[in-house]
Amino acid sequence: DARVTQTPRHKVTEMGQEVTMRCQPILGHNTVFWYRQTMMQGLELLAYFRNRAPLDDSGMPKDRFSAEMPDATLATLKIQPSEPRDSAVYFCASGLGQPGTDTQYFGPGTRLTVL
Amino acid sequence: AQSVTQLDSQVPVFEEAPVELRCNYSSSVSVYLFWYVQYPNQGLQLLLKYLSGSTLVKGINGFEAEFNKSQTSFHLRKPSVHISDTAEYFCAVTLGGGYQKVTFGTGTKLQVIP
Repeated sequence: DARVTQTPRHKVTEMGQEVTMRCQPILGHNTVFWYRQTMMQGLELLAYFRNRAPLDDSGMPKDRFSAEMPDATLATLKIQPSEPRDSAVYFCASGLGQPGTDTQYFGPGTRLTVL
Repeated sequence: AQSVTQLDSQVPVFEEAPVELRCNYSSSVSVYLFWYVQYPNQGLQLLLKYLSGSTLVKGINGFEAEFNKSQTSFHLRKPSVHISDTAEYFCAVTLGGGYQKVTFGTGTKLQVIP
């Protein structure tokens, strides 16, 4: 049963520290999405990759967030420096095909708490 | 730009009763519509999607939704809910043609009461 994996599942850190979240998309999928979910804002798209190239990161705060895909099996989302307002659940999702019509397969999420 | 509205933030319903979760979208062009479900402490998973063709779409776990273009709605229904249906349900919309960002609604929490 193929699924998206994310590590760590939980992360508690102090303000100012660097945070790295990792995602392994489903093998063969060529699109990867990063979302942030909070009670106030709901589900927000942070970044979108296709064939490892970033195509849309308009939802991501550029000064502190960065997203990369070093290879087809790994996507990373980094926050440096982290702030309490970054506390949220971060989801990675992957898909195969056109993002407008394709099903997105979500990972279990990383729950980040910044103190 | 497209948008999607889920008017009900919470819907309580008794077990074995029918349920309808409402979703309305705003777009002047053709859209693709989705319903995703999120169980506690899990990621979202697809229930069903409308791309084209029949306006009545059947999904997993006995759910179905009907696309109504004139009312710009895509309501989700189930004739008889189970305790296991307790979850949060998200409607999502995207525009046709090339890459378009998927826009999610704010979610509806379905609470099934024994």
